[in-house]
Amino acid sequence: DTGVSQNPRHKITKRGQNVTFRCDPISEHNRLYWYRQTLGQGPEFLTYFQNEAQLEKSRLLSDRFSAERPKGSFSTLEIQRTEQGDSAMYLCASSLGADSTDTQYFGPGTRLTVL
Amino acid sequence: KNEVEQSPQNLTAQEGEFITINCSYSVGISALHWLQQHPGGGIVSLFMLSSGKKKHGRLIATINIQEKHSSLHITASHPRDSAVYICAPRGDGLTFGKGTHLIIQP
Repeated sequence: DTGVSQNPRHKITKRGQNVTFRCDPISEHNRLYWYRQTLGQGPEFLTYFQNEAQLEKSRLLSDRFSAERPKGSFSTLEIQRTEQGDSAMYLCASSLGADSTDTQYFGPGTRLTVL
Repeated sequence: KNEVEQSPQNLTAQEGEFITINCSYSVGISALHWLQQHPGGGIVSLFMLSSGKKKHGRLIATINIQEKHSSLHITASHPRDSAVYICAPRGDGLTFGKGTHLIIQP
């Protein structure tokens, strides 16, 4: 257990539905990252926050995806109008400071299945 | 084209063998992360290094920034080392390799 928690751990939804995932980072960590991992592939970067500011978004993050970190603590990732191609493991990670060499600590992930 | 290449993609070895996993990357980086992913998806950070060499228990990681290459070594391998090992060079985010699937047989 790294101290980063994600909820839910599993989500099954029907195509077209909206889903929201939550990530609670280690409490004093300023940076929070979202990644997506499909079967047999390495994780892919989606977006990251420095406190409440969203500093970078991958081109993988289509308009159907939105992430927030309103108080600089927990973060949510919402997918609207889900598609079968959204099925993946969604991983959250946090790190302590602004230095890009900070170690990231990963949560257990939320596995999304879109039927 | 993946900017990070890991080799081998799959490795099966006998308990006790010395293991080497290689990572080459094309992106400019400030540091490189080695991660371990167990069946079921949990990811654990093994090392973050920006130069030279780091050692933790039976694990050793080296990096050559000029050659854009890093290696992860496991000495006296054990079946519990069986996992996917992922190289992730740092840029503004993280670019991940596809991972090396390691199986250590008793």
